[in-house]
Amino acid sequence: EMQLEESGGGLVKPGGSLRLSCAASGFAFSTSDMHWFRQAPGKGLEWVASIYTSPIYISYADSVQGRFTISRDNAENSVFLQMNSLRAEDTAVYYCARLGNTHYNWNDYTWLGPWGQGTLVTVSS
Amino acid sequence: DIQMTQSPSSLSASVGDRVTITCRASQSITTYLNWYQQKPGKAPKLLIYAASRLQSGVPSRFSGSGSGTDFTLTISSLQPEDFATYYCQQSYRTPPFTFGPGTKVDIK
Repeated sequence: EMQLEESGGGLVKPGGSLRLSCAASGFAFSTSDMHWFRQAPGKGLEWVASIYTSPIYISYADSVQGRFTISRDNAENSVFLQMNSLRAEDTAVYYCARLGNTHYNWNDYTWLGPWGQGTLVTVSS
Repeated sequence: DIQMTQSPSSLSASVGDRVTITCRASQSITTYLNWYQQKPGKAPKLLIYAASRLQSGVPSRFSGSGSGTDFTLTISSLQPEDFATYYCQQSYRTPPFTFGPGTKVDIK
């Protein structure tokens, strides 16, 4: 069974840092594109960052560019999100997700799954 | 970036009701549209990809349709476990991954 498990969330003061981890199992992690999303309390889903394998490519949402860094360790089957200069508006449940794909009707379709259970990050003084 | 909208933002329905949720993209995304279900305190779960393809293990009462800019998710006979929030997501041009704002389905 494909699984993802996040860890590393917690309470941090504005301007502080936190490092989230996402451990994968049950699928070929080294060839999987991985992504971080977040969901502020009572709000919708927001994409945060992506790390692609082929070609190697990293992308960030404008709201976190320059403050967050996504990375991965294929030997540990893990993806990470280093979050610096945290702000109150970064308060959210953070999820990691794998990008799956299916070839159908001569097209390649991508979708997100599995997702981890989420880890809560609270930025408050 | 491609923007996604959904309607309604919430609805109340009874067990056994037929429920339809609509999703609209700001430009044509052909059939690159996914639907997710999220229950309180849980991660999103993929229901449908490619606008109409049911993910393995998802009950057949869920169906999706549409192409271009307009899409629908239909639950043919609402079950107690279907009370949740539903999100559409475009996979035509990513990143960014953009989602609709969600439709909350609750009990009438």
